[in-house]
Amino acid sequence: QITLTESGPTLVKPTQTLTLTCTFSGFSLTLNSNGVAVGWIRQPPGKALEWLALIYWDDDKLYRPSLKSRLTVTKDTSKNQVVLSMTNVDPVDTATYYCAHREASLDAFDVWGQGTMVTVSS
Amino acid sequence: SSELTQDPPVSVALGQTVRITCQGDTLRSYYASWYQQKPGQAPLLVIYLKNNRPSGIPDRFSGSSSGNTASLTITGAQAEDEADYYCSSRDSSGTHYVFGTGTTVTVL
Repeated sequence: QITLTESGPTLVKPTQTLTLTCTFSGFSLTLNSNGVAVGWIRQPPGKALEWLALIYWDDDKLYRPSLKSRLTVTKDTSKNQVVLSMTNVDPVDTATYYCAHREASLDAFDVWGQGTMVTVSS
Repeated sequence: SSELTQDPPVSVALGQTVRITCQGDTLRSYYASWYQQKPGQAPLLVIYLKNNRPSGIPDRFSGSSSGNTASLTITGAQAEDEADYYCSSRDSSGTHYVFGTGTTVTVL
């Protein structure tokens, strides 16, 4: 059974760096996990889902073009964790942040974490 | 454009059929997936690769596609189907993902 859990601060001040951790189980992101990836998606209050980033089993990474300069995604296979960092946050970055498992054969996010709400405010 | 545009809120009578659409140029090249999101919950994948249902998703959910439009149909809508629905696909680069604007479905 695949599970993912997001963790991190609930409140961040403007201009600070936001760091979120996704701890997962039931799969691995190692070199023998061909096609598996973990994505980050966010949802501002009352608004639509917004894809942010993706990290593949082979450490290839993709970022939302409009946020690429502010985002970094890394993985720690020994801890079964994926970390998303976002620099220079602004109140518009206030959102629920989700991590999700992406199965290559589905080309979709088939299992999601419960999400973590992050507020950017001074 | 890599945008995916969905219908405004729709309502459907209990037991009736509702179809919601998702429009975008990239749908001519890439399959859509669909997600159901109920208030306070994480999204749930209901359709992938145009018309495939994950295990546990009722067969009243189906997907289709034509040209630049993907559709999600709920045949015999149930009260528990009341939710926001989002389509998703690849963007014009073929590597990044994009989500639609979302459609709220109300079951009367």
